[in-house]
Amino acid sequence: DAKTTQPPSMDCAEGRAANLPCNHSTISGNEYVYWYRQIHSQGPQYIIHGLKNNETNEMASLIITEDRKSSTLILPHATLRDTAVYYCIVRDQTGANNLFFGTGTRLTVIP
Amino acid sequence: GAGVSQSPSNKVTEKGKDVELRCDPISGHTALYWYRQSLGQGLEFLIYFQGNSAPDKSGLPSDRFSAERTGGSVSTLTIQRTQQEDSAVYLCASRRQGARFSEQFFGPGTRLTVL
Repeated sequence: DAKTTQPPSMDCAEGRAANLPCNHSTISGNEYVYWYRQIHSQGPQYIIHGLKNNETNEMASLIITEDRKSSTLILPHATLRDTAVYYCIVRDQTGANNLFFGTGTRLTVIP
Repeated sequence: GAGVSQSPSNKVTEKGKDVELRCDPISGHTALYWYRQSLGQGLEFLIYFQGNSAPDKSGLPSDRFSAERTGGSVSTLTIQRTQQEDSAVYLCASRRQGARFSEQFFGPGTRLTVL
């Protein structure tokens, strides 16, 4: 699976949009971009995934650049409960069962 | 509804002892995964069970690690002769048959500390 790089930490004011970047410059054509988050003392929680088109669900939006070398997770109206570590990973849908997270971005939502 | 549960939530053991970690997946979920997360590190895949198929053990770091899934439900991860580098949070996840890979539901984890 391709490697991803993310900033180690970010702050966001409550109610504002949180934009979390991820670089995946070595992504291959059949690899999807997945985002998970992990709130303290809990297991990871799936947020969203995409291949090349932008995606939106009830939790977030995912913007993938045209060259697919980077993406941005957008939480449109961050709340205090969104404080967590956010992980960006890339994975081949037909690949092995391994799911490897890097160190992610620690997002702190500030009141 | 019940999610994935794991026990114990915390385990402190001495180096060289064996430990067993338990995972109760969501009822009816046929796929079960074990991962570990070391301090400051990402998530590392260990083993995957799917129904009656042979498990994918490709992520187990050494032969001290083993896992069983009895009756297609509860799973136990066993670490023999624990070492200090085994200290980590061990996470279990389950997924229903036919669901996408992303639809794994994680348990809260077991924090293992090897002294």
